[in-house]
Amino acid sequence: EDKVVQSPLSLVVHEGDTVTLNCSYEVTNFRSLLWYKQEKKAPTFLFMLTSSGIEKKSGRLSSILDKKELFSILNITATQTGDSAIYLCAVSPGGTSYGKLTFGQGTILTVHP
Amino acid sequence: DAGVIQSPRHEVTEMGQEVTLRCKPISGHDYLFWYRQTMMRGLELLIYFNNNVPIDDSGMPEDRFSAKMPNASFSTLKIQPSEPRDSAVYFCASSLTVNQPQHFGDGTRLSIL
Repeated sequence: EDKVVQSPLSLVVHEGDTVTLNCSYEVTNFRSLLWYKQEKKAPTFLFMLTSSGIEKKSGRLSSILDKKELFSILNITATQTGDSAIYLCAVSPGGTSYGKLTFGQGTILTVHP
Repeated sequence: DAGVIQSPRHEVTEMGQEVTLRCKPISGHDYLFWYRQTMMRGLELLIYFNNNVPIDDSGMPEDRFSAKMPNASFSTLKIQPSEPRDSAVYFCASSLTVNQPQHFGDGTRLSIL
């Protein structure tokens, strides 16, 4: 059974801090890893990673995948109160199960002014 | 462009009643997914469709749950009869292809009394 474990489960920081969120996974026939941000409603897509060692970047957020060690990290620099959210990591298997995302339990990030 | 649209936003009903949740995917997206999110189990895939055809319903908890997609722009998730343990937020998501990220609706918060 596919499995995704995120750490820490919660994190409280002050504006301006840099945070690193972790995601480790076990999946049959790995295809991709995705990061989502969930505020009050819908999870919104951040990154999709398929290759090891290639950093994806969007503003203050960046993410990288290590397919050998089976983990990914999401970095947020110069955090702002608007970064407060649940960050979800998910993996997609290949083969006939392609599209069946398995999500981790999420990391709750709280950024204080 | 309009995102994934779900209705109702909130539903409160008594156990034993039939509940129908609705979803309109993003136009042109070939894949539609139904998820359930609870504090205990996180975000779980229930069923997904490709071109209106159910591909994998292994996440549907039991026979009380059913889902249909009569056309490319509409899907329903039905629970009959409903039970208090069905209380959760139900999300619908769609993607252009199975290789593309899934985009989520705002969810339906379901409370079964």
